[in-house]
Amino acid sequence: GENVEQHPSTLSVQEGDSAVIKCTYSDSASNYFPWYKQELGKGPQLIIDIRSNVGEKKDQRIAVTLNKTAKHFSLHITETQPEDSAVYFCAGGDFGNEKLTFGTGTRLTIIP
Amino acid sequence: DGGITQSPKYLFRKEGQNVTLSCEQNLNHDAMYWYRQDPGQGLRLIYYSQIVNDFQKGDIAEGYSVSREKKESFPLTVTSAQKNPTAFYLCATYDLSGGPDTQYFGPGTRLTVL
Repeated sequence: GENVEQHPSTLSVQEGDSAVIKCTYSDSASNYFPWYKQELGKGPQLIIDIRSNVGEKKDQRIAVTLNKTAKHFSLHITETQPEDSAVYFCAGGDFGNEKLTFGTGTRLTIIP
Repeated sequence: DGGITQSPKYLFRKEGQNVTLSCEQNLNHDAMYWYRQDPGQGLRLIYYSQIVNDFQKGDIAEGYSVSREKKESFPLTVTSAQKNPTAFYLCATYDLSGGPDTQYFGPGTRLTVL
């Protein structure tokens, strides 16, 4: 089955700087990679996703890059703000298959 | 959290008691899931269901049971056989009819077994 590894487990960034979180996956059949943001005591919320036929996707301050050959994908947050502080999860799955495998999460703290 | 309701938000039970967590959705999604979240371990899949009256075990199904009698509801029972039930439980749904390719999560239930 799929195995998704996520690094780092914690990340502290000065407000205004960029943050990068990286994930690797094992199953070459995986072709859908979402990123979720989870605030304290709440369920995860999708913030951006990418399919394997695309190398990069951007939505305002958030971007995701995918390297299929190396089987890794990354989340980039630019111009970080205090409200970006949360736990971020990556996941991998087969497009059209409803099962996702999640990474272990990254706790991002933005330092004012 | 959209149209997914999990109740209660906090639940306390004595060791050895079965407890049922509720998950209701009004998104008309076919697939529903239960995940367990522990610190530093991400989300682990307990059970999932693609259609009424059918469900499959996930990666950590031992000590849990589910039912899917209605499309809108997917309750999870944590039995006394679950050795370490204290955790944050998340319910999710997925649209199999061609909607966005992602799972939508409820707000979660934090279960504490005393």
